[in-house]
Amino acid sequence: DAKTTQPPSMDCAEGRAANLPCNHSTISGNEYVYWYRQIHSQGPQYIIHGLKNNETNEMASLIITEDRKSSTLILPHATLRDTAVYYCIVTLIQGAQKLVFGQGTRLTINP
Amino acid sequence: SQTIHQWPATLVQPVGSPLSLECTVEGTSNPNLYWYRQAAGRGLQLLFYSVGIGQISSEVPQNLSASRPQDRQFILSSKKLLLSDSGFYLCAWSVTDARYTFGSGTRLTVV
Repeated sequence: DAKTTQPPSMDCAEGRAANLPCNHSTISGNEYVYWYRQIHSQGPQYIIHGLKNNETNEMASLIITEDRKSSTLILPHATLRDTAVYYCIVTLIQGAQKLVFGQGTRLTINP
Repeated sequence: SQTIHQWPATLVQPVGSPLSLECTVEGTSNPNLYWYRQAAGRGLQLLFYSVGIGQISSEVPQNLSASRPQDRQFILSSKKLLLSDSGFYLCAWSVTDARYTFGSGTRLTVV
C-alpha cells in the first residue's frame, strides 16, 4: 500500500472549517483514500473514502487532487467533539484489507 | 444493524498470567475480523486478521495468539503475559471494503 504523509498536529477554532491535508504521492491507480479518526480512549471511527472524485457525507468532505497525489479532509463546521487524531490511509479494496495506521494528525479544536 | 462487542473494558493482570479477550459481531455474516494493539503513546499495530472460521493470519511475531471458533467470534489469547503486552486492544470487522467498525477496546495493564 502507498504511504501517506500528514502534519503531526493542527489547531482550528470552533465553528471554522478544519482542513486536514494528506500527501500520497506513490498512490497507484486502484488504491482508495480512506480517512478515520480516533477520539481519545476510543476505537478509530470511519469518516469517508474516495477513489478519484470528491466525496461528501454527513461527517465531512474529501477533496482528492486530479493527479491523486494528495487529498484534503474538510470538517465544515468544527466542534470541540471533533478533537481527535485523524488518519489518512491509502489501500486497495480486495479480500481482507489490512489497514495500516500511521501517526496521523492530532487536530485540536479550540473554543 | 451491525454491532461489535468487546470485553472486558479494562483488565489488570500479573506478569506470567494467561489472557483471553473476546470479540463478537452481530448483524453480519462472514466478516473479516482484526485485532489491533495500541501501546501507550504509540500508533495502532495490526496483530491478527481472519477471513473465516479457523483462518488466522499473524502480522507480527509476539507472545499472543488468536482464534476464530465461530463466524462472528474472535479471541485473543496469551499463555503467559509480559509487561510489554500492556496496551489498548481493539477488535474490528469489515465486509466488502476497508470500512472498519471498531469495538470499544480493552485496556490491559500487565503488572
